Amino acid sequence: GQNIDQPTEMTATEGAIVQINCTYQTSGFNGLFWYQQHAGEAPTFLSYNVLDGLEEKGRFSSFLSRSKGYSYLLLKELQMKDSASYLCAVYTGGFKTIFGAGTRLFVKA
Amino acid sequence: EAQVTQNPRYLITVTGKKLTVTCSQNMNHEYMSWYRQDPGLGLRQIYYSMNVEVTDKGDVPEGYKVSRKEKRNFPLILESPSPNQTSLYFCASSARGSNEQYFGPGTRLTVT
Repeated sequence: GQNIDQPTEMTATEGAIVQINCTYQTSGFNGLFWYQQHAGEAPTFLSYNVLDGLEEKGRFSSFLSRSKGYSYLLLKELQMKDSASYLCAVYTGGFKTIFGAGTRLFVKA
Repeated sequence: EAQVTQNPRYLITVTGKKLTVTCSQNMNHEYMSWYRQDPGLGLRQIYYSMNVEVTDKGDVPEGYKVSRKEKRNFPLILESPSPNQTSLYFCASSARGSNEQYFGPGTRLTVT
C-alpha cells in the first residue's frame, strides 16, 4: 500500500526552530517533495530530495533517509508568514506523486 | 508571467449537470496533472498527461474525464457530477526532466 504520515498540526513561536517529520511507505520511490500551502492558495515548491542527507536552502532545510523511509523539513528563525500547511509528497515515478495529508503549522508571537 | 490558470475559480452546480474546468499553462510544459484536495486526505491525483494525446489515470479517476488535444490545455470534465465530487481542485504542470510541479490557483466546486 501507499502511506505517507505527518503530524496534523504543530505550533511554534516566532524566531524559533521547528521540525516537521514525514514517514512514508510507497511502492516506488524516486524522490521526496516538500510544498508549502497557505490557506486558500495553491501549493508552492520548497524542496526535492533524491539522495540521503540534508539540503539547505535559506531558512528551510530538508532531510531524507531512504533506508528509514523518513524525511523532515526544518524551518529556522520562524516568522509569522510561515504559518501554513506543509505537504510531504513522494514521487513514485511515471509522473505519479502521492501526497501526505499535510501538517498545519501555527506560528505564535 | 509563467503561470497555470484555471477557470472557473468557484462553481456551485447541481447533481448531474455536466461541467468542465479548464486548465492552461504558458510554460510549454509536457506534463500536466489534476488533483483534488479534501480535508484530512491531502492532494489526490485524478488524471495526468505526459504529452499531447497521452493521458493516464491517477488514484481517484472515477467520475472524471480529461483530454489533452493541445500542449497548453488540460481540461477536467465531470459528465454527471455528484455531491461526493465537492472538493478543491488543482491543476499542475511540470517540464520534462524536472519534477517540480507548478500549481494553478485552484477551483472550489460544490455539487448540491
